Amino acid sequence: GAVVSQHPSWVICKSGTSVKIECRSLDFQATTMFWYRQFPKQSLMLMATSNEGSKATYEQGVEKDKFLINHASLTLSTLTVTSAHPEDSSFYICSAGEIRGQETQYFGPGTRLLVL
Amino acid sequence: GENVEQHPSTLSVQEGDSAVIKCTYSDSASNYFPWYKQELGKRPQLIIDIRSNVGEKKDQRIAVTLNKTAKHFSLHITETQPEDSAVYFCAAQEAGGYQKVTFGTGTKLQVIP
Repeated sequence: GAVVSQHPSWVICKSGTSVKIECRSLDFQATTMFWYRQFPKQSLMLMATSNEGSKATYEQGVEKDKFLINHASLTLSTLTVTSAHPEDSSFYICSAGEIRGQETQYFGPGTRLLVL
Repeated sequence: GENVEQHPSTLSVQEGDSAVIKCTYSDSASNYFPWYKQELGKRPQLIIDIRSNVGEKKDQRIAVTLNKTAKHFSLHITETQPEDSAVYFCAAQEAGGYQKVTFGTGTKLQVIP
């Protein structure tokens, strides 16, 4: 089946620094990828929709200047958390659907971010 | 936008008993309803899905029912086993892989041996 990877799997950083998370579709092409954030014991909340070759679409309440998304190719989307603060500590998960448009979303393994 | 409600938030059952999780959605445009199982610290894994043109779907011990008129769908797990213990999320989505998924709030299922 389709595989989505994320890197890094976990990261610890100091407050004020920026962190980049990569999401890759390994064996399929994805024009669209999605970025979610999950706080402990909560559901996955969609942050933004990443579109290859165009600007990302952000959900209401998500700061686009703080969470920079780049989808430069059909297999790679990146999320950069700029000027990270402790409240940004969370589990970040990406997902992608195959280019053929099937509904099934394939999730990455997630990136756990801890901001000190 | 779409809003998905899920109940109960926690569910404890004895091993071998059945478990039922219920969800409702608000957007009539949603026509694809996946269910995910998430173990602690791991990615959600698709366990079953159903499309709006189908009322019921079964895969071994897992079944899902959909009432599109009432906008609710349910997950049924029979003969539960300890390894079924996890958090389960229902979700709603419009057709197509480019459509965003709206998740329910999750149900923590504990199967007691």
